[in-house]
Amino acid sequence: GENVEQHPSTLSVQEGDSAVIKCTYSDSASNYFPWYKQELGKRPQLIIDIRSNVGEKKDQRIAVTLNKTAKHFSLHITETQPEDSAVYFCAASPDAGNMLTFGGGTRLMVKP
Amino acid sequence: NAGVTQTPKFRVLKTGQSMTLLCAQDMNHEYMYWYRQDPGMGLRLIHYSVGEGTTAKGEVPDGYNVSRLKKQNFLLGLESAAPSQTSVYFCASSYSRFGYEQYFGPGTRLTVT
Repeated sequence: GENVEQHPSTLSVQEGDSAVIKCTYSDSASNYFPWYKQELGKRPQLIIDIRSNVGEKKDQRIAVTLNKTAKHFSLHITETQPEDSAVYFCAASPDAGNMLTFGGGTRLMVKP
Repeated sequence: NAGVTQTPKFRVLKTGQSMTLLCAQDMNHEYMYWYRQDPGMGLRLIHYSVGEGTTAKGEVPDGYNVSRLKKQNFLLGLESAAPSQTSVYFCASSYSRFGYEQYFGPGTRLTVT
């Protein structure tokens, strides 16, 4: 089955700096790569996703890049703000069905 | 719309006791999922359902059973709770087609002593 590894497990940045979280996956059949944000004590919520026919996708201050050849994808957050502090999870899904395999999560702390 | 709801929010069980967690969604989603979340291990899929009356095993199914008698409800059962099942449990639902967002419930914090 699919295996998703996520790095780093914790990341601390100054407000206004950029943050990058990286994930690798093992199953070449995976074609859908969402990112979820989980604030403390809350439920995970989708913030951005990318499909394998796209190399990069942006939504305001967040962007995701995908390298299918190397089997890795990354989340980029620019101009970080304290409200970006949360745990971020990457995930991968094969073409069939809608099953997700999640990475272990990255705790992002943005210092004011 | 309430989205995805879970009951109860918290529960403490003694080893060997049984319980059922209820998940309900009002978005007419075909797919429903049960995950457990443990520190440093992300979300791991326990069981899932692709429609009313159907269920399937996920990554970590041992010690759990599920049922989907109605489209809007997905039940997770622990027949004989063990301390290793102490975790936060999340239910989620989605449309049936590939690449659709999974909507999560608020979670149930379960402690087994």
